[in-house]
Amino acid sequence: GQQVMQIPQYQHVQEGEDFTTYCNSSTTLSNIQWYKQRPGGHPVFLIQLVKSGEVKKQKRLTFQFGEAKKNSSLHITATQTTDVGTYFCAGNFGNEKLTFGTGTRLTIIP
Amino acid sequence: DTEVTQTPKHLVMGMTNKKSLKCEQHMGHRAMYWYKQKAKKPPELMFVYSYEKLSINESVPSRFSPECPNSSLLNLHLHALQPEDSALYLCASSQDGPSGARGYTFGSGTRLTVV
Repeated sequence: GQQVMQIPQYQHVQEGEDFTTYCNSSTTLSNIQWYKQRPGGHPVFLIQLVKSGEVKKQKRLTFQFGEAKKNSSLHITATQTTDVGTYFCAGNFGNEKLTFGTGTRLTIIP
Repeated sequence: DTEVTQTPKHLVMGMTNKKSLKCEQHMGHRAMYWYKQKAKKPPELMFVYSYEKLSINESVPSRFSPECPNSSLLNLHLHALQPEDSALYLCASSQDGPSGARGYTFGSGTRLTVV
């Protein structure tokens, strides 16, 4: 089936360190979206990537879409305690479905 | 209004009960969704409604019955659930479907416990 995997599953970082999560699909994606879910909360949309090789930035967050449109990454520079949560990529395979990745749970050590 | 409102926030029901989850949005979004999320797992798609018509059912058991009375409302009717159905049920909406640049807007969810 169409699945989207993320690594790592968990990441613990010291406050101020950088963080990266990687998202991989076995088949080409039409587009990919990224969401953040705080503990006890609901997913909140961050960004969408559509073009091969696309790079987008939001303040300390950098999102990339691979050349083959099968993988993506989210990089956070100089993490803060407010970055705590689970980061999900969500892939669209060209149909009406948005398939969520397995997620990476980020915890920050103050 | 840029929110998706879900009620109730918490629900405890017995296996013989019938209950309904409600979802409402006033953003004029043409698509609405039900997702199920178990603890420490990603949201899993259950149903997709597009222009008030059911377009995707992800082989969900018939004890879950969706309904879209109008373009702003989405219900999920529950009957004869099992304890393993306990989860966070998330409603979402979007203007342009999964290809939309503005993504999905999720409600805060209904935390369901089946006893």
